[in-house]
Amino acid sequence: EAGVTQSPTHLIKTRGQQATLRCSPISGHTSVYWYQQALGLGLQFLLWYDEGEERNRGNFPPRFSGRQFPNYSSELNVNALELEDSALYLCASSTNGQLEAFFGQGTRLTVV
Amino acid sequence: AQKVTQAQTEISVVEKEDVTLDCVYETRDTTYYLFWYKQPPSGELVFLIRRNSFDEQNEISGRYSWNFQKSTSSFNFTITASQVVDSAVYFCALRIMDSNYQLIWGAGTKLIIKP
Repeated sequence: EAGVTQSPTHLIKTRGQQATLRCSPISGHTSVYWYQQALGLGLQFLLWYDEGEERNRGNFPPRFSGRQFPNYSSELNVNALELEDSALYLCASSTNGQLEAFFGQGTRLTVV
Repeated sequence: AQKVTQAQTEISVVEKEDVTLDCVYETRDTTYYLFWYKQPPSGELVFLIRRNSFDEQNEISGRYSWNFQKSTSSFNFTITASQVVDSAVYFCALRIMDSNYQLIWGAGTKLIIKP
C-alpha cells in the first residue's frame, strides 16, 4: 500500500512568488493535515481538510491556503512568499475518526 | 490550555546504551491520547505508538518501551541497547477529543547514537 506522497520534494522560490505544494493521502484516507516545520523547530499545524472541507486552520496568515479535491488529494498554496516561509512542509492523512496520522516525506520550500 | 514539553533538546549516547526520552504533558481533559513519532534525517515522521488516557499499562515493542504515568503527566520513551539507526528526532504529541482536531506537539528531542 502506497504511503502519503508529496510533491515536489524540493521547491525554490523567490520572495513574493507563489508556491503550490501537493499531497496524495493513503488510499481510503479522507483527512489531510498540513504542517510547517521550520529549521530546528517543532511542527506547527497549518490546515486540516476532511471530505473536501476545511475543518480547522492554525495560526497562520490568510496567504496560506489550500483545498482538498474529490479524490482527497490536497494542495497547499502559499502566496506572497516571505523568507521566513522557508521550511519543511509535511502532509499527513488519516481516516475519519482515526486517531493517528501518517506522514509524507515532506516538501522543502526555500524562499530566496 | 494544552501543552507538551520535551525538555531534552538533544541527547547523545554511545551505541548499545539505553536512553530515555522524556515527555511531560498538560491538559485538563480526562480523555486524551498521547503519541510518539520518529523523524529520521529523511524528514518523514514515522508513527511509533498511541496511548489513551485510560490505559496506563506500559508497552514494550522490541527494544522500545513506553512508560505512561498520569500521576506525573508523563509519557516517557526508552530505547534499550540503542543502535545507530535510532538516530533521529523524536516527537511526543497530545490530542484531546474536541471537534477541531489538533495534535499538540512537543519541540522534539534529537537523539544521536554514536558508533
